[in-house]
Amino acid sequence: SQTIHQWPATLVQPVGSPLSLECTVEGTSNPNLYWYRQAAGRGLQLLFYSVGIGQISSEVPQNLSASRPQDRQFILSSKKLLLSDSGFYLCACFRQGAGGYTFGSGTRLTVV
Amino acid sequence: GNSVTQMEGPVTLSEEAFLTINCTYTATGYPSLFWYVQYPGEGLQLLLKATKADDKGSNKGFEATYRKETTSFHLEKGSVQVSDSAVYFCALKTGTASKLTFGTGTRLQVTL
Repeated sequence: SQTIHQWPATLVQPVGSPLSLECTVEGTSNPNLYWYRQAAGRGLQLLFYSVGIGQISSEVPQNLSASRPQDRQFILSSKKLLLSDSGFYLCACFRQGAGGYTFGSGTRLTVV
Repeated sequence: GNSVTQMEGPVTLSEEAFLTINCTYTATGYPSLFWYVQYPGEGLQLLLKATKADDKGSNKGFEATYRKETTSFHLEKGSVQVSDSAVYFCALKTGTASKLTFGTGTRLQVTL
């Protein structure tokens, strides 16, 4: 079955600092990968998804970017964090016939 | 576009009470429907799912029936426990890159 490793679990960063969140997948190949964000008091919003290496689709305009340098690695980045980037970030993967969707344990980001 | 509407929370119930969390959706095509649960400090876990009209998903005493005529997927449990306290998300998945669209989540608090 699919397993997602996502780190760090919590992160406190100052405004204007860079960000790099990493997500790696085990137990499957060529999955679809996703970054979701859950802001305080709001639901889960899809930020980016990728159907293959180097293929990134953005769902909403924002201060963040994503990259997929390897099949099972998905990275969320920012050059300069804003206060509004605070939230709970979840990585997810989907592989048809391989157990469906799997979510990572999430990273709680607080920008101060 | 696709959307999911969930009843506002928080919902506070006494142990052994009956639970209903309403969920309605708007989607093109024939989506699959899901309920995910997020326990405190953890990531999302699949609770149950239904892939076509009139399907009933069930797990851990929770049930939801895919109602195409009312575009609904309400979550029910006959007798809640304190351990059911969590945030519940209704979601749908359509064919385009298998993206999930989530509702805003409903926080359930069960007290003794």
